[in-house]
Amino acid sequence: GESVGLHLPTLSVQEGDNSIINCAYSNSASDYFIWYKQESGKGPQFIIDIRSNMDKRQGQRVTVLLNKTVKHLSLQIAATQPGDSAVYFCAETRGTSYGKLTFGQGTILTVHP
Amino acid sequence: DADVTQTPRNRITKTGKRIMLECSQTKGHDRMYWYRQDPGLGLRLIYYSFDVKDINKGEISDGYSVSRQAQAKFSLSLESAIPNQTALYFCATSDTRTGAKETQYFGPGTRLLVL
Repeated sequence: GESVGLHLPTLSVQEGDNSIINCAYSNSASDYFIWYKQESGKGPQFIIDIRSNMDKRQGQRVTVLLNKTVKHLSLQIAATQPGDSAVYFCAETRGTSYGKLTFGQGTILTVHP
Repeated sequence: DADVTQTPRNRITKTGKRIMLECSQTKGHDRMYWYRQDPGLGLRLIYYSFDVKDINKGEISDGYSVSRQAQAKFSLSLESAIPNQTALYFCATSDTRTGAKETQYFGPGTRLLVL
């Protein structure tokens, strides 16, 4: 069936390193992808999004890459900081699904000082 | 996001009880959603509403009902709570007036324990 999944459930990095969080999706009809960050005790927070007509989009210290050929999405965080420690979710939707998001399992990012 | 509030933040109830979780938003968004989150899982959609007169079931609506009392308020009810409904519940909103209508903004969550 349709799914959005993550390759790695946990990721540990040193402060200052770059982090890469991966996500695979199975539905080629998916046309909009979002990365969310969820800190302990809080709701998911929007980080960055990308549409299927783009391969790359950059924000502040974050970059999302989309490879439609292999149905793969990644979130790159530059100069990772302890405050980046959180669970990161990718989510996908399709134009016909009226805003319904399908979330991946989540990756726990831990940043060590 | 402080513009989306949920009450209560924590709730303990017993099997068979009816409870209501409330969500309010000051963002002026037209769409509202209820999700549940279980340990090790992503968020799963329970119900969603595109406006006051439009309510739709999500992927896990059994055992739940909702009410959209106003554009700014969307409540979730558990008619007869059971232990496997123990979870973290999130409300979210989105705005169809902007180009990023799919982007959803989440409340802080309600932690529910059913004994």
